[in-house]
Amino acid sequence: DTGVSQDPRHKITKRGQNVTFRCDPISEHNRLYWYRQTLGQGPEFLTYFQNEAQLEKSRLLSDRFSAERPKGSFSTLEIQRTEQGDSAMYLCASSFLREKHRGTPYGYTFGSGTRLTVV
Amino acid sequence: AQKVTQAQTEISVVEKEDVTLDCVYETRDTTYYLFWYKQPPSGELVFLIRRNSFDEQNEISGRYSWNFQKSTSSFNFTITASQVVDSAVYFCALASPGGGGADGLTFGKGTHLIIQP
Repeated sequence: DTGVSQDPRHKITKRGQNVTFRCDPISEHNRLYWYRQTLGQGPEFLTYFQNEAQLEKSRLLSDRFSAERPKGSFSTLEIQRTEQGDSAMYLCASSFLREKHRGTPYGYTFGSGTRLTVV
Repeated sequence: AQKVTQAQTEISVVEKEDVTLDCVYETRDTTYYLFWYKQPPSGELVFLIRRNSFDEQNEISGRYSWNFQKSTSSFNFTITASQVVDSAVYFCALASPGGGGADGLTFGKGTHLIIQP
């Protein structure tokens, strides 16, 4: 297992276009998270999945953003009608939630991110 | 609401000096986790340490050490005998699983550490 993989590493798009990013988590991890990091800031939580269920969305996740995790494996994050303010690094992370330690983030691992530039 | 404050935006030291990165957190939860991550110029977030709220023992790992003090809500990180390869942005983060929300991490704004040769 090579860790959390994200594709593409870089994406340049014109304002108004739709973009989709992919994240492949560590195979035995059942939780998957999306974060956004703008220049000079720490990552900000967007949403997370436990298996295929999307359990929480941040207020940062506007209606133009949608995330899916079909079959509880890889996840996609789509941004529709991109705006210049969407330019950021989009980070994916995965972790393993053990039932007997409910709520314990375990082995929280980040991918290398997808850097989006909207021109 | 949770909050992590890293008051030092940038620190520059000469190689071999010791350096401490400060982290102060706020949470109403009694059970929580604290993390430190390193982000080199390549961009990936590298996990350094996780500490739960019930374990106040300080930890040392090679040149790295962490001082967790619940009384002051601080979780400071010290690098001893710094090296140029330590140059990166360091983030402190907080998670409170089961505290009424997701266990997504709340990050500070990061401290840019520059180690000069």
